Order: sequence, then structure tokens, then C-alpha cells
Amino acid sequence: DVKVTQSSRYLVKRTGEKVFLECVQDMDHENMFWYRQDPGLGLRLIYFSYDVKMKEKGDIPEGYSVSREKKERFSLILESASTNQTSMYLCASSPGLAVYPKQETQYFGPGTRLLVL
Amino acid sequence: SQKIEQNSEALNIQEGKTATLTCNYTNYSPAYLQWYRQDPGRGPVFLLLIRENEKEKRKERLKVTFDTTLKQSLFHITASQPADSATYLCALEDGGFKTIFGAGTRLFVKA
Repeated sequence: DVKVTQSSRYLVKRTGEKVFLECVQDMDHENMFWYRQDPGLGLRLIYFSYDVKMKEKGDIPEGYSVSREKKERFSLILESASTNQTSMYLCASSPGLAVYPKQETQYFGPGTRLLVL
Repeated sequence: SQKIEQNSEALNIQEGKTATLTCNYTNYSPAYLQWYRQDPGRGPVFLLLIRENEKEKRKERLKVTFDTTLKQSLFHITASQPADSATYLCALEDGGFKTIFGAGTRLFVKA
């Protein structure tokens, strides 16, 4: 079974702090994603990566950065946490198979609930 | 850009009945569409994928249909059980590596 793990289930930080959220997958997947999920808004893509050291902005990248130094690890960084970044953060990975039709089923971690005070 | 609409109101049904959830999209028909289940405080879990050239897909008590004319997918759970209570998300490929997700519909199955 694919396993995606996230470093923390719950996190409380203060405004202005630098926050690191870590995600690790164990299935040699090419693609990794970071989403945030807020009530009524669904999952919104922050950043994704389709290869080591490669990254692409998603729909809401402002205030975030990412790092992918190794294939299995994708980190989300909040440079200076703000209260509007209080949310559930979900990491996901997908195989990245170069076949058609693409079947990019995503495998999610358990999520990190971040509270910024 | 592509938008997904799922009924934001919760669906309440009696155990044993069939639950039907709707997913509508607004623009081009995607190459495939997926359904995920999400329990409170957990990440979504993949259930089914249906491609644009497929009309229907089944997996045990689950059935998904995909109507590219109506730009709609229906997700059915037959003989529903209280353990099926969760939020169900519809997801579409949005070009390249991206997938967009609907906000989900909450299902409550009463015993």
C-alpha cells in the first residue's frame, strides 16, 4: 500500500513564525502536491512537483514556498505565518506514469491541522 | 477555468437505500474523473476513476456514471450502511499534472 506521511497532525504557531510542513511518500511516485482545505472551499492546490528539484505554482502559492531535494520528500514552508493560513494542509503523491490516458490517482497523507495565533 | 459543483447540502438517507451524489463541471470534458471519500480529520481516499469514453464503472456497492453531454457524473452507493457516512469528493484532471477537487458532499446514513 502507498503510504504518505506528514510530520505533524496538529501544529500551533505564532504570527510571523517560519513553519515547515514535511511530507514523505514511500512508493517512488514522481508527482507530489500540497493542498489546503477550508470549509466550503474544498481542496486548493498550493504547489506541486513533478520531479526532484522541480516545482510549479498551484492556484494559491502566495505566502508559501516548497522544497523537493529528494524524490520521496516534499516540504511546504510558510515564510512568515499569518492567521489566514490557519487551515488543514494535505500532502498527496501520484505515480506520474507516462501513459495515456493518464490515471493520476492521488494518495493523500493524514493532513496537518495548523493553527496560527 | 474548469469549475466543479457538488451539492453543498448534506444528504441524509436511511440504511439500505441507494445514495446518489452529483458532480457537475462547467467547461471542457476531462480525460477522466475520480471520486474520493474523506472522513473527518483525515485525508481523502481514492474510490473510483472513470474515463471520458466510459459510461459507467462499478466497484462492489459503488457505481459511477459519466455523461459528457450533460457534463455530469453521478456516484451511487447501493445498500448504504452507516459506515458509508463521510464526505465524497469529485475530482477532474485539469491539464498536465493538475487535478481539481470539488468541495464535496457530506453523506449521513441513518441506521
